Amino acid sequence: AQTVTQSQPEMSVQEAETVTLSCTYDTSENNYYLFWYKQPPSRQMILVIRQEAYKQQNATENRFSVNFQKAAKSFSLKISDSQLGDTAMYFCAFGTSYDKVIFGPGTSLSVIP
Amino acid sequence: DVKVTQSSRYLVKRTGEKVFLECVQDMDHENMFWYRQDPGLGLRLIYFSYDVKMKEKGDIPEGYSVSREKKERFSLILESASTNQTSMYLCASSPRGSRRVYEQYFGPGTRLTVT
Repeated sequence: AQTVTQSQPEMSVQEAETVTLSCTYDTSENNYYLFWYKQPPSRQMILVIRQEAYKQQNATENRFSVNFQKAAKSFSLKISDSQLGDTAMYFCAFGTSYDKVIFGPGTSLSVIP
Repeated sequence: DVKVTQSSRYLVKRTGEKVFLECVQDMDHENMFWYRQDPGLGLRLIYFSYDVKMKEKGDIPEGYSVSREKKERFSLILESASTNQTSMYLCASSPRGSRRVYEQYFGPGTRLTVT
């Protein structure tokens, strides 16, 4: 069975600091897609960043970057220069070619002023 | 911008009632999904649909049914609501990918309380 694990239920970071959220997954597939989604308090879930498994280069979106370790099945999210608006639940997710996506349990991130 | 809307943000129903949750997307996406979100469990897929009148069971379909009569609308039905169905329900849509998985676009969620 394919699973996604986020071992940090809650994290906090000082404003302007850097924080890394962990994610591991289990699959026997070779071609798949990985995502980080953000759900701010009382707001809609949005995509933060995505990574195709066949690409070795780590994806980057402004202050957000990933460390994708395919052999280790690890997909961590690094947030640089944390801002108050980064306070949210963050979900790691895994998808194969059949459009269904499996989500992890989430990490609640608080950015402290 | 893609817009996914859900009929209610908050809903309170009694045990045994039939409950309809509606979801509409305006981007002509083939795929639509219903999830429930519970603390510590993340999002769990209830049902998804990849075309009009097509549906597939997700991981937790028991106690739920769905309807997709039009491409833009996907309804979740609780035939006889029970207290263990108290949860946040999220609808999402995405384009259909033949060789890739597209990101999903989410609605604001419906927080359902069954008393």
